[in-house]
Amino acid sequence: EAQVTQNPRYLITVTGKKLTVTCSQNMNHEYMSWYRQDPGLGLRQIYYSMNVEVTDKGDVPEGYKVSRKEKRNFPLILESPSPNQTSLYFCASSFVGGTVTYEQYFGPGTRLTVT
Amino acid sequence: AQKVTQAQTEISVVEKEDVTLDCVYETRDTTYYLFWYKQPPSGELVFLIRRNSFDEQNEISGRYSWNFQKSTSSFNFTITASQVVDSAVYFCALSEAFQGAQKLVFGQGTRLTINP
Repeated sequence: EAQVTQNPRYLITVTGKKLTVTCSQNMNHEYMSWYRQDPGLGLRQIYYSMNVEVTDKGDVPEGYKVSRKEKRNFPLILESPSPNQTSLYFCASSFVGGTVTYEQYFGPGTRLTVT
Repeated sequence: AQKVTQAQTEISVVEKEDVTLDCVYETRDTTYYLFWYKQPPSGELVFLIRRNSFDEQNEISGRYSWNFQKSTSSFNFTITASQVVDSAVYFCALSEAFQGAQKLVFGQGTRLTINP
């Protein structure tokens, strides 16, 4: 089954304790992205990657890191989480085709609470 | 800069009514893509439709239809004969075709509640 998986699905942590949220896709997509969803703000892009070893900042990158060492994986790293990073996080992936923008497929989401 | 506005924060209707969700966008590009996603209470995001800026034909898929009007920068979504299972948050999104970078900008979402 074609899918994007994220782990963990739920996480409660304390301020300053480094954490990683994993994301993996099995569709051989070049493009992967991380979003956070907050009430009243919709989804906002954190980081994205056009291919292996190619990453770039989205609209709200502060406090986050990513890496793309393999095509299928795109982990999100919070080196020192703070309460304002409490949010619902989504990983997404899609094909890349020149100037064509394809639909993105989303993982199930990770609900993160930082106390 | 690109922007998407969904002015309707919440809509509540009775089952079998028709309902339209509004989406207004801003972009400086002539080539762009518009999307609608559904987020049911279970939380996942489900892709509904993609439309490019050169295709202004309306689209119908079962009880769902989309009206794209470049003149008013709108991409509205109508559900005909709504059902309780249509209850969800619906997001409209915009992507500019810029060097293959697929930056997706979302609206704030409209929470649709269908009452039995």
